Amino acid sequence: EIVLTQSPATLSLSPGERATLSCRASQSVSSYLAWYQQKPGQAPRLLIYDASNRATGIPARFSGSGSGTDFTLTISSLEPEDFAVYYCQQRGNWPTFGQGTKVEIK
Amino acid sequence: EVQLLESGGGLVQPGGSLRLSCAASGFPFSSYAMSWVRQAPGKGLEWVSVISGSGETTHYADSVEGRFTISRDKSEKTVYLQMNSLRVEDTAVYYCAKDLPGSRFGEAHNWGQGTLVTVSS
Repeated sequence: EIVLTQSPATLSLSPGERATLSCRASQSVSSYLAWYQQKPGQAPRLLIYDASNRATGIPARFSGSGSGTDFTLTISSLEPEDFAVYYCQQRGNWPTFGQGTKVEIK
Repeated sequence: EVQLLESGGGLVQPGGSLRLSCAASGFPFSSYAMSWVRQAPGKGLEWVSVISGSGETTHYADSVEGRFTISRDKSEKTVYLQMNSLRVEDTAVYYCAKDLPGSRFGEAHNWGQGTLVTVSS
């Protein structure tokens, strides 16, 4: 099983600041890496797929980068609605998720 | 607009069975794989099972292999998850998700609202 490790566990930032979230895979997943956002009581929402492609309707302030084992989700300027938990997920032989990064208001 | 509506969750005793349903609309149902993903209370996400667009191929997480069965009905545009021999650790919100085209899988582009399964005596 491919293990994804996200860091940091919690990110405390203010609206308007830049958020940088990391995801590291235990072995190469090529570019088969997605990012999801989840708010309390809601289903996850796909933000980024194949490492760097924004999903339908996702604002341009969200961007993804990386390949192989190291990936980054960047939110260029945090909006109030962006405070949530973010998960990375790989689709190798069997899909697995990271443990999540909570982006909270500072 | 893609819509996924899960149903069938509830309270069941350990060792019991439950069948979840996911009614899909807004896309060519038979062209896409469909997945179930679960989330235990206060925990992260776990991919549970996937079925190809044709229904010919299924895959399961090790944690549910041999106990859960995924299926789909093309005419009803519905995906099912039959859950047998339920354990306390199966307690979770179960989400239905629209996956990739054909037999590829592992990317949940659209999600339902989820249905809660509680396994407890």
